[in-house]
Amino acid sequence: KQEVTQIPAALSVPEGENLVLNCSFTDSAIYNLQWFRQDPGKGLTSLLLIQSSQREQTSGRLNASLDKSSGRSTLYIAASQPGDSATYLCAVVGQAGTALIFGKGTTLSVSS
Amino acid sequence: EAQVTQNPRYLITVTGKKLTVTCSQNMNHEYMSWYRQDPGLGLRQIYYSMNVEVTDKGDVPEGYKVSRKEKRNFPLILESPSPNQTSLYFCASSLTKNPYEQYFGPGTRLTVT
Repeated sequence: KQEVTQIPAALSVPEGENLVLNCSFTDSAIYNLQWFRQDPGKGLTSLLLIQSSQREQTSGRLNASLDKSSGRSTLYIAASQPGDSATYLCAVVGQAGTALIFGKGTTLSVSS
Repeated sequence: EAQVTQNPRYLITVTGKKLTVTCSQNMNHEYMSWYRQDPGLGLRQIYYSMNVEVTDKGDVPEGYKVSRKEKRNFPLILESPSPNQTSLYFCASSLTKNPYEQYFGPGTRLTVT
């Protein structure tokens, strides 16, 4: 059964720092991987989606990489800002059209 | 604006009183699903639907029902809610073709007393 783990569970950094969030999954046979952002008590906002054939995706200050063979993905946030404070969730899809399997998230706090 | 909407956003009810949480999407997506989010357990899928009149159980379907009579709507029904169904519920949708990017609604916070 697919399991997704995110480390660390929480992270506090000063504004301006570059940081990396980690995601690992136990079954490398994934269809795609999505990174989401969730603000407290709010919905999920899709940040980046990486298909299984891709190695990375970039959007603004965010860069997500995927190493399927080792079961790992990283989300790199450049020049962090207080507005980046949120919980970041990683999720994988094992087969097309089936459930997202989520990690428990990394809660990021960026102080000014 | 492309979006997934849910209603109500907040609901407090009592044990045993039937309720329905509605979900609607305007992106012509075939695939829709329901998740619940609980502290320490993360997000887990309740039910999903690949298209109209096609539904199937997810990981935690007990105590829930769904229907998919129209492509845009996927209501979640709790016939006899219990306190262990107190949770934050999310509806999601996607196309059933590459890359299957899923879009989530704003969430419904349900409290059952």
